[in-house]
Amino acid sequence: EAGVTQSPTHLIKTRGQQATLRCSPISGHTSVYWYQQALGLGLQFLLWYDEGEERNRGNFPPRFSGRQFPNYSSELNVNALELEDSALYLCASSPWTDRYTFGSGTRLTVV
Amino acid sequence: EDKVVQSPLSLVVHEGDTVTLNCSYEVTNFRSLLWYKQEKKAPTFLFMLTSSGIEKKSGRLSSILDKKELFSILNITATQTGDSAVYLCAVVEYGNKLVFGAGTILRVKS
Repeated sequence: EAGVTQSPTHLIKTRGQQATLRCSPISGHTSVYWYQQALGLGLQFLLWYDEGEERNRGNFPPRFSGRQFPNYSSELNVNALELEDSALYLCASSPWTDRYTFGSGTRLTVV
Repeated sequence: EDKVVQSPLSLVVHEGDTVTLNCSYEVTNFRSLLWYKQEKKAPTFLFMLTSSGIEKKSGRLSSILDKKELFSILNITATQTGDSAVYLCAVVEYGNKLVFGAGTILRVKS
């Protein structure tokens, strides 16, 4: 079984630009979750998508947004990048249990 | 505010030692508690706990949950250098939100 895949592995952007991160869940998983892991901080919940709809959102500003496609893959968009957005962004998927499987993440660096 | 606190923040042990990692939580809408091992990037799933007092085991690792006292422990016996990692505790709330602790950094010396 293929795991959760994320792309790109690394992304370098300039402050003020937009970043787009992608995630493909495990086949059969309809839910996709996004988490931010900033240096020295724990994983922070960003977004949950299921069946193409945003189901829950963490305490992040509206410039963090995303979507889920009919094939259940997902995009995370971060607009107007700030230096503090530099972090590892992890995507996870789950079946109808609490056993979440994480991808290897996208390392976003804002300069 | 919901929070998950892990202790210790870090520890160094020698191969063969037994370690106990702690996780306490204050979460409004508890559904389950998860343990993950994070070596480089992707956290890998270890245990899911939903009921008090029932120990989950996988090889040298075991974990138990106390829903009355709001904590969980993760035990690793006969530690090996390959156990060196960050161990993450997370509580799942209704709404499918995971609240993570800061993690415990474990280093096993040979």
